[in-house]
Amino acid sequence: DAKTTQPPSMDCAEGRAANLPCNHSTISGNEYVYWYRQIHSQGPQYIIHGLKNNETNEMASLIITEDRKSSTLILPHATLRDTAVYYCIPRDDKIIFGKGTRLHILP
Amino acid sequence: DAGVIQSPRHEVTEMGQEVTLRCKPISGHDYLFWYRQTMMRGLELLIYFNNNVPIDDSGMPEDRFSAKMPNASFSTLKIQPSEPRDSAVYFCASSGGIAEEVHEQFFGPGTRLTVL
Repeated sequence: DAKTTQPPSMDCAEGRAANLPCNHSTISGNEYVYWYRQIHSQGPQYIIHGLKNNETNEMASLIITEDRKSSTLILPHATLRDTAVYYCIPRDDKIIFGKGTRLHILP
Repeated sequence: DAGVIQSPRHEVTEMGQEVTLRCKPISGHDYLFWYRQTMMRGLELLIYFNNNVPIDDSGMPEDRFSAKMPNASFSTLKIQPSEPRDSAVYFCASSGGIAEEVHEQFFGPGTRLTVL
């Protein structure tokens, strides 16, 4: 499994876009990039995934660089309820959670 | 669907006692996962099943831990005997299939275990 590097924490103002980076330079060609988040005292929640192309759903957008060595999760209009730990996970089989990024949304 | 159901939500026991955690996956899902989360080690995969068969138990800490899935709608994680270092939140998750393009895992609310 590819190793990931995420900043341990980030702040974002409520209503602004939150951009969470992830480096996965050792990702292999068949590994998707998955993003999950964990709100305090809850189980992790799937957000989005992608392979090569940028993806968008009702929760977020995922931008993957052309060389696939990094990606950015974008929450377009962050709210206080988006305060959570965000995990970037390259995988082709089982999910391996790293330490993630603790995102604080500031009122 | 009610989602992944775990019971009990909280368990407090004394060292040496047997602990059994229960999980009901989402109906129709053929993969089931058990995770453990602590402050020190984060979220760790313990074991996962496909169609009720254990596929990878390399994350199970030691022989005191065992997991079973007797049918598609029920799984247990047992710790015998329990130790204080087993205190953690244990999550169960299910998914429709790893080989599919979309294999989102749905997590339950977790069981918070405290071993005194």
